[in-house]
Amino acid sequence: DAMVIQNPRYQVTQFGKPVTLSCSQTLNHNVMYWYQQKSSQAPKLLFHYYDKDFNNEADTPDNFQSRRPNTSFCFLDIRSPGLGDAAMYLCATSRKSSQTGTYEQYFGPGTRLTVT
Amino acid sequence: GESVGLHLPTLSVQEGDNSIINCAYSNSASDYFIWYKQESGKGPQFIIDIRSNMDKRQGQRVTVLLNKTVKHLSLQIAATQPGDSAVYFCAETYYGGATNKLIFGTGTLLAVQP
Repeated sequence: DAMVIQNPRYQVTQFGKPVTLSCSQTLNHNVMYWYQQKSSQAPKLLFHYYDKDFNNEADTPDNFQSRRPNTSFCFLDIRSPGLGDAAMYLCATSRKSSQTGTYEQYFGPGTRLTVT
Repeated sequence: GESVGLHLPTLSVQEGDNSIINCAYSNSASDYFIWYKQESGKGPQFIIDIRSNMDKRQGQRVTVLLNKTVKHLSLQIAATQPGDSAVYFCAETYYGGATNKLIFGTGTLLAVQP
């Protein structure tokens, strides 16, 4: 089945140790997003790629970076994780529907990051 | 570890009853709204959407109502089932935007009692 895959599902890293989360998709969608979701809160958009164009949200800390080497893969790099970066990180993809004109976002299962 | 999260508003209903989940959106310019369901440990799942040129849209067991005057959105679930237990988020965006960036509402935890 076409889907959004996130690896690993659970990641433990040490304070200050760089960590990379990965997302892949088989939907061939041209837009990919990274969200941060803390406990009992709504997902918060960090940045997104429209094809190869990177779009950072104004309040996303510099500590968070992203790479998209090709259509299928997108990575979230946290350069120096702090305790406050512990959260669920969600990847999503979308493409404009030719029928409805809407961009329905498809979410992956998320990676839960723990910082020790 | 992770910072202490907020307490989600909770709606507790009996199995078989109808549920109504409410959401207030923030941006008057938003013209496309989506409801997502998020089960524990999973990503949000699309339920139903509505554009601002409509005030009601129905799906299978779900209905979304939009009141643009007061910037209010609601999700009605008919004959609620235990499998409906999840956190429900509304999201707003601009339909004509290049990528439909979503702004999520706070979320409501729906607890279905058997």
